Amino acid sequence: DAEITQSPRHKITETGRQVTLACHQTWNHNNMFWYRQDLGHGLRLIHYSYGVQDTNKGEVSDGYSVSRSNTEDLPLTLESAASSQTSVYFCASRDRTGELFFGEGSRLTVL
Amino acid sequence: KQEVTQIPAALSVPEGENLVLNCSFTDSAIYNLQWFRQDPGKGLTSLLLIQSSQREQTSGRLNASLDKSSGRSTLYIAASQPGDSATYLCAVLNEAQGGSEKLVFGKGTKLTVNP
Repeated sequence: DAEITQSPRHKITETGRQVTLACHQTWNHNNMFWYRQDLGHGLRLIHYSYGVQDTNKGEVSDGYSVSRSNTEDLPLTLESAASSQTSVYFCASRDRTGELFFGEGSRLTVL
Repeated sequence: KQEVTQIPAALSVPEGENLVLNCSFTDSAIYNLQWFRQDPGKGLTSLLLIQSSQREQTSGRLNASLDKSSGRSTLYIAASQPGDSATYLCAVLNEAQGGSEKLVFGKGTKLTVNP
């Protein structure tokens, strides 16, 4: 079955380190997204991509970057991790009907 | 700016009860509306997608309706079971303006079904 997978599922890192969260989907969807989910804030959009070589900033993009070199992958990089970036990160992709599918999430702790 | 509201924030019901979860939105120029469930520590699972031209969608014991003119959607769960306990979120995809992403989530309703 086609799916969307995230790795690692859990990560503990230190302030200032660079961290990359991987997202891979096998549906061949053009649209991919990264969200973070925090208590009291709900889901907030970090970055998104509508296709290869296309990337766009969401509402909370500061301190994050993405790249899209192929259809299947949208890695999220934290350039210099901060404690405020401790969160659960979700990758998602959207099909042609507009239906959104989520990965299982990556829980990141920045100490 | 689109705002999506889900009331109540939490709901507790006995097993077997039929229930309705509500989702309201302020801008009726939507492309679609999607309902998700989220179990603790898990990702969001898509339940139902309603396109703007549709009035309802059904899947098993779930029925979602959409009234664009009043800015409302409801998720009806028939004969609730303890396994239905989860947080239910709705998300509205607005018609794109200038190519920017216009998906807005509600904060969710946490449902507990008691045996």
